[in-house]
Amino acid sequence: GENVEQHPSTLSVQEGDSAVIKCTYSDSASNYFPWYKQELGKGPQLIIDIRSNVGEKKDQRIAVTLNKTAKHFSLHITETQPEDSAVYFCAAGKSTFGDGTTLTVKP
Amino acid sequence: GAGVSQTPSNKVTEKGKYVELRCDPISGHTALYWYRQSLGQGPEFLIYFQGTGAADDSGLPNDRFFAVRPEGSVSTLKIQRTERGDSAVYLCASSLTGWGVGDTQYFGPGTRLTVL
Repeated sequence: GENVEQHPSTLSVQEGDSAVIKCTYSDSASNYFPWYKQELGKGPQLIIDIRSNVGEKKDQRIAVTLNKTAKHFSLHITETQPEDSAVYFCAAGKSTFGDGTTLTVKP
Repeated sequence: GAGVSQTPSNKVTEKGKYVELRCDPISGHTALYWYRQSLGQGPEFLIYFQGTGAADDSGLPNDRFFAVRPEGSVSTLKIQRTERGDSAVYLCASSLTGWGVGDTQYFGPGTRLTVL
């Protein structure tokens, strides 16, 4: 079955800096890669997703890149703000998640 | 509008007991998913419903776990003979159709199950 690895497990940045989270997947047939943000005591919330027919997608301060050949994809957050602090999860397909990255943005 | 709701928010039980966890999906969503999330890990897929039927139950860890969705809306996850290792947050999600790429899943807040 599909396996997703996510790095780093924790990330601390200064407000205004950029943050990058990387994931690799094992099943070359996967064609959908969502990213979720989970705040304490809440369920994950979709923030951006990318499909296998594009290499990059951007939504304001958030962007995702996909390299199907290497089977990895990344989340980029620019101009980070304290409210970006949360746990971020990547996923491959609908149901295989990475183990999460705890992002802390220091004011 | 109302999102996915789950009850109870917290459940404490003793080893060996039976528990039921309830999920109310977004109205009109035909697909419903159950996940289990242990501390420091991502959600682990348990089961996926398309309408009333379980389209994929490959994530259920053993026969102590069972889920139903009799009318295609509310779902109940049932755990028999609970074990301490069942302690986790159980998440429910729903999506509009469940088919095709990019059908967004909306998650509930989860039920935190603690087995003493």
